[in-house]
Amino acid sequence: DAGITQSPRYKITETGRQVTLMCHQTWSHSYMFWYRQDLGHGLRLIYYSAAADITDKGEVPDGYVVSRSKTENFPLTLESATRSQTSVYFCASSVLTEAYEQYFGPGTRLTVT
Amino acid sequence: GIQVEQSPPDLILQEGANSTLRCNFSDSVNNLQWFHQNPWGQLINLFYIPSGTKQNGRLSATTVATERYSLLYISSSQTTDSGVYFCAVPSYSGAGSYQLTFGKGTKLSVIP
Repeated sequence: DAGITQSPRYKITETGRQVTLMCHQTWSHSYMFWYRQDLGHGLRLIYYSAAADITDKGEVPDGYVVSRSKTENFPLTLESATRSQTSVYFCASSVLTEAYEQYFGPGTRLTVT
Repeated sequence: GIQVEQSPPDLILQEGANSTLRCNFSDSVNNLQWFHQNPWGQLINLFYIPSGTKQNGRLSATTVATERYSLLYISSSQTTDSGVYFCAVPSYSGAGSYQLTFGKGTKLSVIP
């Protein structure tokens, strides 16, 4: 059982380039989430999705785009990467919302030069 | 939004020692999770514990929801316990959904 996977695990890109981070889960969980982790800020929610074709903004959505055409995939796109988007990105999923456990992927370390 | 505070921020233990980590939250919650972020950066689920006590090997957790705190106990610590321990609770994101709000973590270093 693969669980939740992210790719790539490490990425270096240049300012202004488009980057897509992939997230895939094998549990058929309804909810999926994208967080970023930065020193001094902890983990913050970027976007979440309640089901296929349903997405909504989290705490820090600016500069990011998401889509969810299939339940198992939830890609995060940085349309024009900036240095402030250098971070570690975590994808997570849960069966439902509030009262259910969230499970996290291994993370993607993104560096924007 | 809900506030989550963890203490202590840093903790250094000799191998074999016991420790207690605390998580306080500012509002009632239906869910609380403890995570261990290992030195490689992975977030590992330790406990899902909205209330009561759970044990898993050398680790146990207790949540007293009415008093808005949770405790994580680590007994007979090992060097592999090193890392950052986070607690997280749901906060309302709008449109009927919730996000996890994380505390700032307790950084644990276990020395041989």
